[in-house]
Formats: sequence, C-alpha cells, structure tokens
Amino acid sequence: QQQVKQSPQSLIVQKGGISIINCAYENTAFDYFPWYQQFPGKGPALLIAIRPDVSEKKEGRFTISFNKSAKQFSLHIMDSQPGDSATYFCAASSLNTDKLIFGTGTRLQVFP
Amino acid sequence: GAGVSQSPSNKVTEKGKDVELRCDPISGHTALYWYRQSLGQGLEFLIYFQGNSAPDKSGLPSDRFSAERTGGSVSTLTIQRTQQEDSAVYLCASSPPGQGALVGYTFGSGTRLTVV
Repeated sequence: QQQVKQSPQSLIVQKGGISIINCAYENTAFDYFPWYQQFPGKGPALLIAIRPDVSEKKEGRFTISFNKSAKQFSLHIMDSQPGDSATYFCAASSLNTDKLIFGTGTRLQVFP
Repeated sequence: GAGVSQSPSNKVTEKGKDVELRCDPISGHTALYWYRQSLGQGLEFLIYFQGNSAPDKSGLPSDRFSAERTGGSVSTLTIQRTQQEDSAVYLCASSPPGQGALVGYTFGSGTRLTVV
C-alpha cells in the first residue's frame, strides 16, 4: 500500500544548515499533505501541512514546497538546530477520508 | 486524559502466543487509528474506526490481526499466534469529529512488541 515515497532515509546536517526531505505520491485524489515529527520514544506529532491550492507554506523555520504537476512535495528546515534531530514523516490523504498514508520516514541528525 | 494512552508500553512474548494491545483515546475523539512502525517501513496503516461506522480494516496484514473498539472509546488490537515479523512498535492515534486529518492526529507513545 506504499503510495507515498520518501527520501532520504537518513540525513546528517550541520547546525545552521538547510535540511531537505522529499516525498512523492501517486494517487491524484490526495489533497492534503502534512508532515509529522517524531522524537525517540514518542508518537509522531503534526508539524506543518499544505493543501494543493498553494505551492508553498512557511511556518517559522519550516517550509513545505509543493509541486502538483510532478506530484512531489518537500520539507525544508532552515537554520537547522540540534533540537530538530528527529524522524520526519510526510503523509497524504484525501479530504473525504481521515486516513493518512505515511512515507517511510527520514531520520535527521543535526550536529553542532 | 490529556493524551492518548497505550498499554503496555513494552511487551515481550513468545512466538505463537496471543497478545492484546490497548489504546485509550482522547475523550471526545470519534476517530481512532492503529499504525505499525517497523525499521525502514515507516508508519504502516492497520485499521481505522470512525464513530459508529464500519471500521476500515484494509491495512490489517493477515487474519491473525483484529481490533475492536468498545463503546466508541477504548480500542484493543489483538494479534493471534504471534510471529517474529510482528515485532514492531504499534501506535494508536485519535482525532476529533470532522476532518481529523486536517486537525492532526494525536498519537500515543506506542507499544513496543518483541516476539522471541
């Protein structure tokens, strides 16, 4: 049922750098694309989300870029901090259902 | 409670035994979801309950897996005749009425199941 492909599997970034995580989807019925952040020993938590009627959404240091024609979206973390070290999941759903399909996750490590 | 509560937090069981995993959702949340997290597999959807509607069981990997939700609240995920490949973290989430995906799921901390 893998309908959302995520890369890279792991990412190492220096403090202050830009972290970029990419996702691609196949189902054109998807119309909602959230990102979740998970710290060790905890469940994932909603970080930021986008609808396909916009190409970019920014919240603080976190930005989602969305390319509808390519069926791709990405998460950019600007000025990455050690506290951003976590696993990030992209996800997708269609708004006529509450079911989220998640990507495989990216383990981000930010070193000082 | 303030969050989604899962129990036990850790479970070690012998191959072939049955296990039950419990989830207490946030009060008032009508939707409840079970996901499985394995290394390299991300978050795999298992089952979804929404109010009184028939559950979406399309993600259950085999007939050894079943889940129920009693009284629209607590849910139990049962795995019969456990196998080593069932070892994973089982996550439960809940969301409020309406478009839960938009509002965001609230996940519990999960149950780490190890089958030996």
